[in-house]
Amino acid sequence: SAVISQKPSRDICQRGTSLTIQCQVDSQVTMMFWYRQQPGQSLTLIATANQGSEATYESGFVIDKFPISRPNLTFSTLTVSNMSPEDSSIYLCSVEIRGGGTEAFFGQGTRLTVV
Amino acid sequence: AQKITQTQPGMFVQEKEAVTLDCTYDTSDPSYGLFWYKQPSSGEMIFLIYQGSYDQQNATEGRYSLNFQKARKSANLVISASQLGDSAMYFCAMREGDTGTASKLTFGTGTRLQVTL
Repeated sequence: SAVISQKPSRDICQRGTSLTIQCQVDSQVTMMFWYRQQPGQSLTLIATANQGSEATYESGFVIDKFPISRPNLTFSTLTVSNMSPEDSSIYLCSVEIRGGGTEAFFGQGTRLTVV
Repeated sequence: AQKITQTQPGMFVQEKEAVTLDCTYDTSDPSYGLFWYKQPSSGEMIFLIYQGSYDQQNATEGRYSLNFQKARKSANLVISASQLGDSAMYFCAMREGDTGTASKLTFGTGTRLQVTL
């Protein structure tokens, strides 16, 4: 398994501001992903964080709104830009570990409220 | 069409009893993986169990087992001897493609399990 530290765990932000969420893993991992979970909903993939290159975004998500960095194999950040109340969600980073099976682990999540 | 379907929005089970949470999936890819996660009210996603499409035996992890019926495209989670701490949301998820290649997970809508005394 992997220990994934995600910060902050929660925040309340003013609309129009930006928040950067950090994801740190205790071992080198190939793939890191960022998901959003809107209130009462399931998880939706925002993007795949690629080490050394631009992130790959899913339909409906754009780099200007959700810029992602991944400077090395253990760290990534997701920024939620120019926030509105609709951005209130839980944001989760996920990593893939190759073990006996192929397992995917999540950070603790960041609970964001935009007021 | 939904790729992952969880038809039970909510389930109740008595403490110490077993419970089955349903999950069906839809894919034309012969290689895929199925996951179950537990999400308590704190919001974290806790990995429970994984089943690969080529695995011959059903996966088990402690009190969790996965009833994998490939022909029916179902991957139900069985929790034995339920405990109060099992009360949470449970999500079924699928990854399509070669299990050696990372790709995104597609999640179902979840089932909220409530364990009662």
